[in-house]
Amino acid sequence: QQPVQSPQAVILREGEDAVINCSSSKALYSVHWYRQKHGEAPVFLMILLKGGEQKGHEKISASFNEKKQQSSLYLTASQLSYSGTYFCGTLRDDKIIFGKGTRLHILP
Amino acid sequence: GAGVSQSPSNKVTEKGKDVELRCDPISGHTALYWYRQSLGQGLEFLIYFQGNSAPDKSGLPSDRFSAERTGGSVSTLTIQRTQQEDSAVYLCASSFRRNTGELFFGEGSRLTVL
Repeated sequence: QQPVQSPQAVILREGEDAVINCSSSKALYSVHWYRQKHGEAPVFLMILLKGGEQKGHEKISASFNEKKQQSSLYLTASQLSYSGTYFCGTLRDDKIIFGKGTRLHILP
Repeated sequence: GAGVSQSPSNKVTEKGKDVELRCDPISGHTALYWYRQSLGQGLEFLIYFQGNSAPDKSGLPSDRFSAERTGGSVSTLTIQRTQQEDSAVYLCASSFRRNTGELFFGEGSRLTVL
């Protein structure tokens, strides 16, 4: 069963903040975040392995709440380069399954 | 090259024909995935190879789809008797570490079935 992402789409102005959520009805052991720009391959952002762990990449950070079975991706002071589709992935039966993605569009 | 290589990058075929899509992973990567991405949709898991273990085929949508990985390296995804709903971008990804490793994706093979 794939993780559920919300919102499905976000439109921001440059410099604004955004939060993308990823939740699962089953236990989460790790959360994987990727970004896919239009017409390109998905690119790795970060993996969170422990409950409560937080990580950062540029001005993008993420948290992982194992008990609540959810992770959130925080984009601070968004830049035009942040536009794209963000995917969270989780381990299911030893393989990585992705959510449907959140489309993020940054306006100048 | 240093990255994951996929071929062909674009394939247009007629309904009912068979197609083969190739993935050449990064050297030394033991894990290899195939995902399908339809227009505007997410990354749909198809099949997973890990080392010499039997592949996890649980995501293959029908028996028209099959994949193999020879010598623990190159993988071929075969779609027999293609249908219009098979039109999508087929993405291959490889990883050095099982489960917790970063996935490196190829540019994908765009399949159009007329």
